[in-house]
Amino acid sequence: AQKVTQAQTEISVVEKEDVTLDCVYETRDTTYYLFWYKQPPSGELVFLIRRNSFDEQNEISGRYSWNFQKSTSSFNFTITASQVVDSAVYFCAPGGPLIFGSGTRLLVRP
Amino acid sequence: NAGVTQTPKFRVLKTGQSMTLLCAQDMNHEYMYWYRQDPGMGLRLIHYSVGEGTTAKGEVPDGYNVSRLKKQNFLLGLESAAPSQTSVYFCASSYGTDTGELFFGEGSRLTVL
Repeated sequence: AQKVTQAQTEISVVEKEDVTLDCVYETRDTTYYLFWYKQPPSGELVFLIRRNSFDEQNEISGRYSWNFQKSTSSFNFTITASQVVDSAVYFCAPGGPLIFGSGTRLLVRP
Repeated sequence: NAGVTQTPKFRVLKTGQSMTLLCAQDMNHEYMYWYRQDPGMGLRLIHYSVGEGTTAKGEVPDGYNVSRLKKQNFLLGLESAAPSQTSVYFCASSYGTDTGELFFGEGSRLTVL
């Protein structure tokens, strides 16, 4: 991707609420991969998911789900029934390691 | 497995000093990357390498140099540190550039006074 936008700088929710983190990108590539990473308060960066642009099926992993829509160049991330441990900064990286979004800081309050 | 290891974890420099950050990975990955993380700006790619002996510029390469003499190591150098280089630096490695997920080191916090 040539550009990625995570418009939500910070989101604060109460535990058990659902929350969606938005990621919109621009790319001239016809095939590409999209990634999400998590950075908890401890500072390490953890891989969450990789999707390829061929597959627009939604992905679900436990409380996490991802909605990829090629037509709108979006790859949004939803946490269902959020927990305090979900508090972190989440980065979208469409197209791989060369460009990251600026991140969305999620705070889940008890 | 250690994964990706960065040294040092913390460093304070004076303006004009030089230093080298070392990244080592034990996963036999071809691709390695150096990023910097500044508040509100996410991760920005400094330099990367697609294999031993190769390097390429990322988004913010100015003021940094890199070397990949051995497949498992990727060095990031600051020849003359500036306060603008105060940041947290992350090294990462992967199987592929745009297909493989990144494995990150723990980060190195650099302060330039």
